Amino acid sequence: DTEVTQTPKHLVMGMTNKKSLKCEQHMGHRAMYWYKQKAKKPPELMFVYSYEKLSINESVPSRFSPECPNSSLLNLHLHALQPEDSALYLCASSQKPGLAGYEQYFGPGTRLTVT
Amino acid sequence: DAKTTQPPSMDCAEGRAANLPCNHSTISGNEYVYWYRQIHSQGPQYIIHGLKNNETNEMASLIITEDRKSSTLILPHATLRDTAVYYCIVRHDYSGGSNYKLTFGKGTLLTVNP
Repeated sequence: DTEVTQTPKHLVMGMTNKKSLKCEQHMGHRAMYWYKQKAKKPPELMFVYSYEKLSINESVPSRFSPECPNSSLLNLHLHALQPEDSALYLCASSQKPGLAGYEQYFGPGTRLTVT
Repeated sequence: DAKTTQPPSMDCAEGRAANLPCNHSTISGNEYVYWYRQIHSQGPQYIIHGLKNNETNEMASLIITEDRKSSTLILPHATLRDTAVYYCIVRHDYSGGSNYKLTFGKGTLLTVNP
């Protein structure tokens, strides 16, 4: 099983809502990532979790709150978002943090629209 | 972080080889070159990576120049399904190699024509 799953596929939320994005992998990977991708732009790294601990936060606003409850699951909690936060949110995982040669597997993404 | 430069777009005829160039002149000695592609509205897909030597797998070949300042991804027999944005990425390690991140550049939109 080389699949990273993300739910929901699409999400529309108002600026006062609280919602969560979910990412799951069952490949035994110990590093997980959140990326944000605006239309016609490359993916931008948001967070990296290594062995269930947050290891990189790319100066992401606090209205985005990541959580890694266990080695298979990664959540992104959303609160008080702005319309400019509308984007494709991608999750990825890799086998062992830091070791050379381990590629990242990406999920299909959640298409988020903030109204 | 080492930056990469790629042409914004390329065309290729179906069945022919597609050669996608990438410049990474500021790459450090222990930094890997990775290639990913992203088909419209899907998550990026890993293709291949290398450090110094040329690499080949079932999807593609990666040719890295001896000075490591540039590389070429080769899709030997392009099909219509290979139409995608191709990203050349230099992997940046943190904390003595205990963490790494991929910084995506703008990529090359490869269009394979019938």
